[in-house]
Amino acid sequence: QSALTQPASVSGSPGQSITISCTGTSSDVGGYNYVSWCQQHPGKAPKLMIFDVSNRPSGVSNRFSGSKSGNTASLTISGLQAEDEADYYCSSYTSNSTLVVFGGGTKLTVL
Amino acid sequence: EVQLVQSGAEVKKPGESLKISCKGSGYRFTSYWIGWVRQMPGKGLEWMGIIYPGDSETRYSPSFQGQVTISADKSISTAYLQWSSLKASDTAMYYCLRRTPTSSTLDYWGQGTLVTVSS
Repeated sequence: QSALTQPASVSGSPGQSITISCTGTSSDVGGYNYVSWCQQHPGKAPKLMIFDVSNRPSGVSNRFSGSKSGNTASLTISGLQAEDEADYYCSSYTSNSTLVVFGGGTKLTVL
Repeated sequence: EVQLVQSGAEVKKPGESLKISCKGSGYRFTSYWIGWVRQMPGKGLEWMGIIYPGDSETRYSPSFQGQVTISADKSISTAYLQWSSLKASDTAMYYCLRRTPTSSTLDYWGQGTLVTVSS
């Protein structure tokens, strides 16, 4: 069982917006603004999409945005495109000795 | 350009030992943590552990403590993940990644090393 909880799957039609949640505790998501999101296409390495809750690395589309409220962080993808179909994982700093915790991943299907 | 380049795919038998590598370039290797993640076939990412090459401080996920060893050789900017006795259940893709020292961002990932353990 993963330390952070994500929905197993979400779906949306092209052009729509979807939101993926990531729920943790005050020891990780809720306690620090150090939540990241990565995207993984089948057979590929993960790619960083959002860091520090809401920041986008250079080159990532502004259709991707992040936010946090309490112990839950969220990734929103607006104007869904077929290329957005992938698995998405959240991660966070944790005050536990492991330093990092992951979510179980969410499969995004673009209908 | 920051790069993490991992060693190639491995096919091993149960009980054999294995050490895979992750070479960093394009940045100061000793200033960033290097972590390891397991991805079993069709499954999600699992955090295994992390090392700070500057002083070799290492942290393990409880699920992997005692099952693997993480090390680093800063003289050649390379981190390692090793097993002393592989099991069939170790069959997976293994990724290394870089963690920023301040905000815990996992900003760069290696291409992955596929480990297959089969008799």
